[in-house]
Amino acid sequence: DAGVIQSPRHEVTEMGQEVTLRCKPISGHNSLFWYRQTMMRGLELLIYFNNNVPIDDSGMPEDRFSAKMPNASFSTLKIQPSEPRDSAVYFCASSPGQSQYFGPGTRLTVT
Amino acid sequence: GENVEQHPSTLSVQEGDSAVIKCTYSDSASNYFPWYKQELGKRPQLIIDIRSNVGEKKDQRIAVTLNKTAKHFSLHITETQPEDSAVYFCAATDSGYALNFGKGTSLLVTP
Repeated sequence: DAGVIQSPRHEVTEMGQEVTLRCKPISGHNSLFWYRQTMMRGLELLIYFNNNVPIDDSGMPEDRFSAKMPNASFSTLKIQPSEPRDSAVYFCASSPGQSQYFGPGTRLTVT
Repeated sequence: GENVEQHPSTLSVQEGDSAVIKCTYSDSASNYFPWYKQELGKRPQLIIDIRSNVGEKKDQRIAVTLNKTAKHFSLHITETQPEDSAVYFCAATDSGYALNFGKGTSLLVTP
């Protein structure tokens, strides 16, 4: 089992550019979560899906953020336009029930 | 919603000593309590979890206790080793989906 896969692992972009983060959950897991981690705010839940359906997006900071899960094996988190304050590590996690398993994360730097 | 508080925020112990991290939660309906270990630059990794129908669970040097009446749970690490140095997060959930994380405890084990 390859675990949760995220790409890219690192992303450096300029303010105003569109950023797309990708996640492949563990096969058979029916829930998927996007988190953001910063020193100041800790680990924040942005949005989660169950059976490809968004359940709660109340953690999405603003309309610049959007997430999709077109099928059971793929999800994207998009930021458009990006801002320096979006710089953080973004984690994707998947779950077969209650236990969540995290991907390696994408370190995003917006200059 | 659920509120999870974690203490202490930092903890320093000598190698071989025990370490205890405590968390409290607010929602009496919470029924699942995982603990995650995050090494520097790495993903959070699930190390142990406990459900509300159990009072204690042990896995080698790690144990977790749960007091449902007082709404608190604790992580105990015995015979600490330098490789136990990391940030530890507790979490709780009542929904079966979203985890509510504590702010984390930075544990340093000195040789």
